[in-house]
Amino acid sequence: GDSVTQMEGPVTLSEEAFLTINCTYTATGYPSLFWYVQYPGEGLQLLLKATKADDKGSNKGFEATYRKETTSFHLEKGSVQVSDSAVYFCALSDIGGSNYKLTFGKGTLLTVNP
Amino acid sequence: DAMVIQNPRYQVTQFGKPVTLSCSQTLNHNVMYWYQQKSSQAPKLLFHYYDKDFNNEADTPDNFQSRRPNTSFCFLDIRSPGLGDAAMYLCATGLGPQAGEQYFGPGTRLTVT
Repeated sequence: GDSVTQMEGPVTLSEEAFLTINCTYTATGYPSLFWYVQYPGEGLQLLLKATKADDKGSNKGFEATYRKETTSFHLEKGSVQVSDSAVYFCALSDIGGSNYKLTFGKGTLLTVNP
Repeated sequence: DAMVIQNPRYQVTQFGKPVTLSCSQTLNHNVMYWYQQKSSQAPKLLFHYYDKDFNNEADTPDNFQSRRPNTSFCFLDIRSPGLGDAAMYLCATGLGPQAGEQYFGPGTRLTVT
């Protein structure tokens, strides 16, 4: 079945540091890939997505590239801010068939200190 | 703005006392999902509706039920809440096979006393 493995946290960085959160996946089909962010006490927000190989999703300074050859979708940001402190979930959806559910990674807690 | 709304944001119920959580959407999406999320964990899918078709996850306890009276509204009923049912409950919507992403509401934090 489908699965997502992401870097275990917590990750603690200083403001303006470079961020990478690793995410790899296994899927039977050709999935779409997502990063969701969850701020304390809130629901999940879609941060970015990519639907095919070599697509780059980007939003709010975050980027991730769909790498089919390495089955990866690593999240990066060049300069983090305190306001980026949240839990980040990598997820996939194996659309095209009857499965339109999200398979989530376990989440990575990011804390950014001033 | 189109959105997913959950009410209430915080709900306290007593052990064994039925409780209903509600979700509404203005996105006009075909699919509505209910998730349970416990502390420091990923959301766990309980069930979803594709239009009026109900799809239960195999490991969802019978204690959890759902209703979708129309496209816009979906309810989660917990018939006899136990202490282990205390969690954040998230509603989400999506277009189903047309696109994989889901749009989440802010969640309802359920406390069982």
